[in-house]
Amino acid sequence: NAGVTQTPKFQVLKTGQSMTLQCAQDMNHEYMSWYRQDPGMGLRLIHYSVGAGITDQGEVPNGYNVSRSTTEDFPLRLLSAAPSQTSVYFCAIGQGANYGYTFGSGTRLTVV
Amino acid sequence: AQRVTQPEKLLSVFKGAPVELKCNYSYSGSPELFWYVQYSRQRLQLLLRHISRESIKGFTADLNKGETSFHLKKPFAQEEDSAMYYCALRTGGSRLTFGEGTQLTVNP
Repeated sequence: NAGVTQTPKFQVLKTGQSMTLQCAQDMNHEYMSWYRQDPGMGLRLIHYSVGAGITDQGEVPNGYNVSRSTTEDFPLRLLSAAPSQTSVYFCAIGQGANYGYTFGSGTRLTVV
Repeated sequence: AQRVTQPEKLLSVFKGAPVELKCNYSYSGSPELFWYVQYSRQRLQLLLRHISRESIKGFTADLNKGETSFHLKKPFAQEEDSAMYYCALRTGGSRLTFGEGTQLTVNP
């Protein structure tokens, strides 16, 4: 039982490139989300999903796309990377609000 | 507006001293609050939920609706408590809104 697996752990992109950050879970949780973590700004919600086929925007969705075709996977796509997207990205899953989240180990992304 | 505020970005105490990490929130509904901890270069992990009124690793937190606060406390800090701490508020469904975080350093 791996919980939440994020890949890659590190990535360097050039401005304008696109890429997909992967998030996979084996806990059968309905709720999945993506956060970015920036110094002094805490964690900000990018997109989230309450189940397969359902996604919605969070606080900072611009420049990112998501899809949820299965319960297990929730990839985050950067369409055209910008230096402002340099951040640490965390995937978080949950089975219900009162239980809190389980986080992935993070992806450290640098856009040059 | 739904908001979580952690007024201290950095907090430094000596080993054995009491520690209090402040968290204030604004929310129109019935609040549900959490504390998360992130040790150096590790993933975030749930520390406390107010609903369970538990004590984890010696930490406690009490929800004060009058003061709209959910401060995290520990009577005797340990060096291994050094970490980043985030307060979070459930803001609808399973969504959580996080504060800016407080970096706690416990000095020997």
